[in-house]
Amino acid sequence: NAGVTQTPKFQVLKTGQSMTLQCAQDMNHNSMYWYRQDPGMGLRLIYYSASEGTTDKGEVPNGYNVSRLNKREFSLRLESAAPSQTSVYFCASSATGGRYGYTFGSGTRLTVV
Amino acid sequence: ILNVEQSPQSLHVQEGDSTNFTCSFPSSNFYALHWYRWETAKSPEALFVMTLNGDEKKKGRISATLNTKEGYSYLYIKGSQPEDSATYLCAFRDTDKLIFGTGTRLQVFP
Repeated sequence: NAGVTQTPKFQVLKTGQSMTLQCAQDMNHNSMYWYRQDPGMGLRLIYYSASEGTTDKGEVPNGYNVSRLNKREFSLRLESAAPSQTSVYFCASSATGGRYGYTFGSGTRLTVV
Repeated sequence: ILNVEQSPQSLHVQEGDSTNFTCSFPSSNFYALHWYRWETAKSPEALFVMTLNGDEKKKGRISATLNTKEGYSYLYIKGSQPEDSATYLCAFRDTDKLIFGTGTRLQVFP
């Protein structure tokens, strides 16, 4: 049982390049989330999808887009990467309402130079 | 933007000491309060999901209490061990998403 799988684990981008972070879960969870983690800032919500077919902005959505491809997959796209997007990105999933807690992926460390 | 505050930011204790941390959150429109344990180079793992005022949950040597009326939760670790070293996050459920605090980093020295 893999839980939440994120790819890639590491990535270096040049300013202006684009990329998509992939996330898939095999727990039949309805809700999925993208967070970024920066030193001293904790986990900040970028976008989330409460159920298949819906997406909503979180606290820091600027510069990102998301796609809930199906119930299992939720991708995060950076259209034109900026150094301010250097961060560690975590995908998570949960049952509706998160009543059993969130399950997190292993993270993607992204550096934009 | 809802604010979730944790204190202290960091804590160093000796093996065998008991310790506790605080999480403060908005006391209105309460849905749930989560605690997570986050070890270095790993992902956060859920410890507790608390929903009722006065709730007390326990997992081994770790326990948590909840006061929704005044907006705080305590996490206790009894007899800390080096393997308890981690960052402990609390998160407040805002309708359909979690807002995380910045965490308390615990280091337990042998």
